[in-house]
Amino acid sequence: DAKTTQPPSMDCAEGRAANLPCNHSTISGNEYVYWYRQIHSQGPQYIIHGLKNNETNEMASLIITEDRKSSTLILPHATLRDTAVYYCIVSGASGGSYIPTFGRGTSLIVHP
Amino acid sequence: DAGVIQSPRHEVTEMGQEVTLRCKPISGHDYLFWYRQTMMRGLELLIYFNNNVPIDDSGMPEDRFSAKMPNASFSTLKIQPSEPRDSAVYFCASRSLENTGELFFGEGSRLTVL
Repeated sequence: DAKTTQPPSMDCAEGRAANLPCNHSTISGNEYVYWYRQIHSQGPQYIIHGLKNNETNEMASLIITEDRKSSTLILPHATLRDTAVYYCIVSGASGGSYIPTFGRGTSLIVHP
Repeated sequence: DAGVIQSPRHEVTEMGQEVTLRCKPISGHDYLFWYRQTMMRGLELLIYFNNNVPIDDSGMPEDRFSAKMPNASFSTLKIQPSEPRDSAVYFCASRSLENTGELFFGEGSRLTVL
C-alpha cells in the first residue's frame, strides 16, 4: 500500500470548515483514497473514499488532486463531536490488494 | 445488523494468564481483520482472514499470539501467556467484497495485563 503523510494535529473553530490534508505521492492507478475517523475510545469509523473524482456524502467531502498525489477531507461545518483522529489510507479496493494499514492520522480538535 | 461485536469490552488479567478475545463479524462479510492499538505504535494490523482462512499473519508479534476463525461468524485472538506489554485495545473489523472496501470496526477489547 502507498504511504500517506498527514499533519499530526489541527484545530478548527466550531461551525467553520475543517480541511484535513493528506499526501500520497506514490499512489498507483488502481488504489483508492479512504478516510476514517476515530473518536476517543471507539473503533475507527469509515467516512468516505474516492478514486479520481471528488466525492461528497452526508458526513464530508473528499477532494482529490488531478495527479492524485494528495487529497483533502472537508468537514463543511465542524462541530465539537467531530473532534477525533482522522486517518487517510490508500489501498486497492478488493481482494488481496486491500490491506488497510493505518498511520498516525491527524488529531483534529474542534473548539467552541 | 448489529455491527461487529467484540467481547469482552474490558479485560484485566495477570501476567502469565491466557487471554481470549472474541469477534463476531457482520453477517455476509468475508474478510475479518484483527488490529492492536497502543499509544506507542498506533493501530497495527495483526492478521486478516478471507473466507475463514488466515491470509497474512505477519503482524502477529510472536508465537504467544494466535488467531482462529472456525466459521464465518466467529473469530478468536488468543494470547498465551500474556505479558504486560500486551496491554492495548484490540479491534476486530470486517468487510465484504460486495462493498467498495470500507471496513466496519467493533468497539474494541481493552486488555490490561498486570
